[in-house]
Amino acid sequence: DTGVSQDPRHKITKRGQNVTFRCDPISEHNRLYWYRQTLGQGPEFLTYFQNEAQLEKSRLLSDRFSAERPKGSFSTLEIQRTEQGDSAMYLCASSLSGGGDTEAFFGQGTRLTVV
Amino acid sequence: SQKIEQNSEALNIQEGKTATLTCNYTNYSPAYLQWYRQDPGRGPVFLLLIRENEKEKRKERLKVTFDTTLKQSLFHITASQPADSATYLCALEGTASKLTFGTGTRLQVTL
Repeated sequence: DTGVSQDPRHKITKRGQNVTFRCDPISEHNRLYWYRQTLGQGPEFLTYFQNEAQLEKSRLLSDRFSAERPKGSFSTLEIQRTEQGDSAMYLCASSLSGGGDTEAFFGQGTRLTVV
Repeated sequence: SQKIEQNSEALNIQEGKTATLTCNYTNYSPAYLQWYRQDPGRGPVFLLLIRENEKEKRKERLKVTFDTTLKQSLFHITASQPADSATYLCALEGTASKLTFGTGTRLQVTL
């Protein structure tokens, strides 16, 4: 397995445009997470899926953000009407559910720049 | 609210010395604490996990301690090398293995 894959690696968009990012997790992992990281900060949790069900969303995830994981495989994160404050690195991670002590595998991230 | 503090100032040490990074947290009682390494422009990479009932965990040149009374974890890299230069993130594991990260500490190992 090649690990968690994210596409694109970089995205520059004009304010007000919509963008969509894709994450392909490790195939046997049933949990998938989205995090956002701004410069000088640690990643912040946005949302997570167990299989195809979206089980939790952070208050950071405004109405302009939507995430899906059809069929419990890959996931997409869409941002509508982008704002300059959305500029960040968007990280996807996957893991196996269990009793805790679960290692998360991160992708390389998608760096979004809103101009 | 939950707060995780890592030294925001970069840590500069000489090759061969032991690097010690600190992670303090408040308003939280995690069952698990994890450490990740992050290189510029890349996603975090898992290094070590320690459970609340473990005092210390080792992996090769890495050692992590976890003091639930002090609400502190220490991360040590012995015999440090320039290749160890990176940002190191502390993360508390919550429900559904959701991670809450600190801001990270940048380590620079010089020759």
